This record gives sequence, C-alpha cells and structure tokens, in this order.
Amino acid sequence: GQNIDQPTEMTATEGAIVQINCTYQTSGFNGLFWYQQHAGEAPTFLSYNVLDGLEEKGRFSSFLSRSKGYSYLLLKELQMKDSASYLCAVRDNQGGKLIFGQGTELSVKP
Amino acid sequence: DSGVTQTPKHLITATGQRVTLRCSPRSGDLSVYWYQQSLDQGLQFLIQYYNGEERAKGNILERFSAQQFPDLHSELNLSSLELGDSALYFCASSPSGGVSYNEQFFGPGTRLTVL
Repeated sequence: GQNIDQPTEMTATEGAIVQINCTYQTSGFNGLFWYQQHAGEAPTFLSYNVLDGLEEKGRFSSFLSRSKGYSYLLLKELQMKDSASYLCAVRDNQGGKLIFGQGTELSVKP
Repeated sequence: DSGVTQTPKHLITATGQRVTLRCSPRSGDLSVYWYQQSLDQGLQFLIQYYNGEERAKGNILERFSAQQFPDLHSELNLSSLELGDSALYFCASSPSGGVSYNEQFFGPGTRLTVL
C-alpha cells in the first residue's frame, strides 16, 4: 500500500527554525519531493531527494533516509510569507506520478 | 508562473452535468498529470499521459476520462457530476515520463463547484 504521514499543523515564530517530518511506505520509490502550497494556489517545487543525505537550497534544506522511509524539510530564518501548507510527495517508479501526504499547515507568528 | 495553463479558472455547475477541463503543458513537456484536491483529502493523482498515450492511472472514477492531443494539450472530462466532485483540479507537466529526475510543474488549477 501507499502511506505518507506528516503532521497536520505546526506553529513557529518569525526568525526561528522549523523541521517538518515525513514518513512514507510506498510500493515503489523514485525520489521524494517537497512542495509549498498557499491556500487556493498551485503547489510550487521546493526540493528533491533521491539519495540519502541533506540537500540545501538557501533557507530550505531537505533530508532523506531511504532505509528508514523518512524525510524532513528544514526551514530557517522563518518569514511570515512562509505560512503555507508543505506537501511531502513520493514519486513512484512507474510513470513518475506523485503520491502526496496530506500536507502540514505551517503558521508563522510574529 | 509555472508555464502550465489551465482553463477555466472557476467552474460552477449542477449535479448530473458534464464538464471539460483543459490544460496546456509547458513548452516542450511531454508528460501531463491530473490531480484532484478536495478539502478533506490531499492531492490525489488521477491520470498521466505521456506524448499522447496513457501512462498511469490512479484513483480516477469511471465517470472521469482524459486524453492528450497531438499538440500535447490535455482535457479532463467529468460526467454525471456529484456534489463530492467539487474540488480543485490541478494539471502538472514534466519533460519526461518520470524515469529521470524531473520536477512536475503545476498549473494554477480549476476550481469546480457542483451545486
């Protein structure tokens, strides 16, 4: 079966660091993606991991452990505009469709 | 702007009706994916086309169908609409069929409301 779990919501303070975890159990694996989605808008790509380890991209970093079926997205120096839903998605190895978690709603407070 | 376009932006219709949603992928992208996002569920994969051929099928109802045309634009047809079909429908495109690393670029979505 396909199962991707992430916390439903998180709250953090402006300027702080927040880590959003994602665990997955999927029948196939061909990479893990993180997307950001503001309410009513399209998801926008943040990061991609296919090998174990940390990928850093400005204020955003993403980590993957394939043996543990685990990933996290790290957001540093939080800004108010980072308030959004963060979607963890696994790409399967047949055709490339994305299997999404329910998303984590992040609220950044002043 | 991802380069993926979707029309219409909003659609309001009644139960039992049929609608067509349209998607134009980014220039050069061969793969088109359709996803449904309703309030109580996350993004759910519906169907994928690659260069005109159906490549993968997800949780797509029999009342729904899709196709990809020679110019690579795609249409999603929803028929015998029910209240539960109200959702945001996203189209995404990528250069390849998913074998190598390629992010999917999402269009702005079509918000369907069934009354």
